[in-house]
Amino acid sequence: GESVGLHLPTLSVQEGDNSIINCAYSNSASDYFIWYKQESGKGPQFIIDIRSNMDKRQGQRVTVLLNKTVKHLSLQIAATQPGDSAVYFCAENNGGATNKLIFGTGTLLAVQP
Amino acid sequence: GAVVSQHPSWVICKSGTSVKIECRSLDFQATTMFWYRQFPKQSLMLMATSNEGSKATYEQGVEKDKFLINHASLTLSTLTVTSAHPEDSSFYICSARDLVAGPYTDTQYFGPGTRLTVL
Repeated sequence: GESVGLHLPTLSVQEGDNSIINCAYSNSASDYFIWYKQESGKGPQFIIDIRSNMDKRQGQRVTVLLNKTVKHLSLQIAATQPGDSAVYFCAENNGGATNKLIFGTGTLLAVQP
Repeated sequence: GAVVSQHPSWVICKSGTSVKIECRSLDFQATTMFWYRQFPKQSLMLMATSNEGSKATYEQGVEKDKFLINHASLTLSTLTVTSAHPEDSSFYICSARDLVAGPYTDTQYFGPGTRLTVL
């Protein structure tokens, strides 16, 4: 079936460095993608989203890149801080009337001081 | 804005009892809410889509008679786990779709989750 997956289950970076978290999706018809951050014991927190008619979108210290040709999504975090340590999920909106989200497997970002 | 709350944040119950979890959109109206469950170190799995004023739509493999969903108003959806068993122990998370706020009209915002432990 359709799925959204991540290349790296764990990413360890030094504080102050930039982080890049990758995600591959398989449904070429998906037109909306979201990145969520989930800290231990908490619900997912919206970070940034992007429509398929764009290839880049920037937020505060975060940038999402979308490559529809290879069905790849990435989240870039600039100047990574200890507070960025969490599990990051990409999610794919399958469109339609219900707009269900399909979540990737998640990447644990560990920021080393 | 776009805050979603859940109650309770955690609950411990005996096997065979029922547990109700509430999901509320605090500052927006949500015609659609979603219920997920998450096991430790795993991703979120959609259980059902809750529609205000109509029956919920369940994902394949989710027992609708065991996981009762009611979406009585534009700001409240409830999930009742009936006759709970230890294998139902999980982290249950709801989300709500804000049709008005944000750059896109279908952004989902998540609640803080409810930790259910069935003894």
